[in-house]
Amino acid sequence: SAVISQKPSRDICQRGTSLTIQCQVDSQVTMMFWYRQQPGQSLTLIATANQGSEATYESGFVIDKFPISRPNLTFSTLTVSNMSPEDSSIYLCSVGLGQGGEQYFGPGTRLTVT
Amino acid sequence: GDSVTQMEGPVTLSEEAFLTINCTYTATGYPSLFWYVQYPGEGLQLLLKATKADDKGSNKGFEATYRKETTSFHLEKGSVQVSDSAVYFCALTARQAGTALIFGKGTTLSVSS
Repeated sequence: SAVISQKPSRDICQRGTSLTIQCQVDSQVTMMFWYRQQPGQSLTLIATANQGSEATYESGFVIDKFPISRPNLTFSTLTVSNMSPEDSSIYLCSVGLGQGGEQYFGPGTRLTVT
Repeated sequence: GDSVTQMEGPVTLSEEAFLTINCTYTATGYPSLFWYVQYPGEGLQLLLKATKADDKGSNKGFEATYRKETTSFHLEKGSVQVSDSAVYFCALTARQAGTALIFGKGTTLSVSS
């Protein structure tokens, strides 16, 4: 497994502002993932982040709204831009480890947009 | 596309009762299957996994068997505890490293003493 930390753990933001979420892993990993969990819902993949290349976004998510950086093999950031109340969710990063395809998740960032 | 369907909750049980949470999947190829658990206010934890047909994953008294013929991966526990109260997610992924997880909608379990 891996130890994954996220910052901030929670935040309350004003509509129209942006928030950058950091994800730090205690070991080098090739691929990191960003998910969104809307209130009372399951997890939806936002994008896959490879070190040294552009992130790959899922349908319904765009780079202008959710820019991602992946500067090295242990760190990634997700920015939620021009926020609206509909962006209120838990945002989680994960890493893929092991031969079975399992992923390990950070503790999440609980975002509330007012 | 690939998908996961799990039973709707909430599931409410008394301590020491038997638990089953149903999960079925649709996938091309031979996916790996997982159960994740989310305790109140926390992130997701991997509970157990199975990577091929007839594999049984187990952890903390929970078990699930990969049934290819019925495309199912039901979660069971013989005697639940109050501390098992959480949301349980069934998930699948292609076995190649770096493939995204596809989650079911989650089942809330509430255990009372």
